[in-house]
Amino acid sequence: DGGITQSPKYLFRKEGQNVTLSCEQNLNHDAMYWYRQDPGQGLRLIYYSQIVNDFQKGDIAEGYSVSREKKESFPLTVTSAQKNPTAFYLCASSPDSGEQYFGPGTRLTVT
Amino acid sequence: GQQLNQSPQSMFIQEGEDVSMNCTSSSIFNTWLWYKQDPGEGPVLLIALYKAGELTSNGRLTAQFGITRKDSFLNISASIPSDVGIYFCAGQFLTRRALTFGSGTRLQVQP
Repeated sequence: DGGITQSPKYLFRKEGQNVTLSCEQNLNHDAMYWYRQDPGQGLRLIYYSQIVNDFQKGDIAEGYSVSREKKESFPLTVTSAQKNPTAFYLCASSPDSGEQYFGPGTRLTVT
Repeated sequence: GQQLNQSPQSMFIQEGEDVSMNCTSSSIFNTWLWYKQDPGEGPVLLIALYKAGELTSNGRLTAQFGITRKDSFLNISASIPSDVGIYFCAGQFLTRRALTFGSGTRLQVQP
């Protein structure tokens, strides 16, 4: 089946540790995105990538890093510099027509 | 970053009733999208609109792209209990760029 996978569904980390969230798509989409969602809120853009080996900062990129070495993969690292890392993280991809398709999300809890 | 004004924030209706929600923006968009999100899941694309004035249906859902390109509405007819969830609008100026999201409309349906 074609789609977007994110793993794991739930992730727990201690404060001060870096953690990497996985996002994989087999839809052959060039563009991929990372959003953060806090309780009762809309989605805020962290990073996006229009094509392999290229990525741009979104509205809330501080404390996060990404890489885009393969078309299918766009991992997000939450670093210890991110002050409030506990959130629901959503990955998306889009074809050239622009509409974005989302993965199931990863809920990160940092204590 | 810019936010869309989405209203209402929440709705509590009886099964069988029709529902209407809308989004407005101070900026124009070239694409309007409507998503539904269930708790703990990623948003699912309901309808995509690409042209000013466009009216598109998907089953009991109908959405329109405002002629000013600064607004969009979503109607749900004859609501059923599985319509419960949070509905988000999103606007996009250029493809392969970020979406701007509304803050969501929480819909509850009384059987």
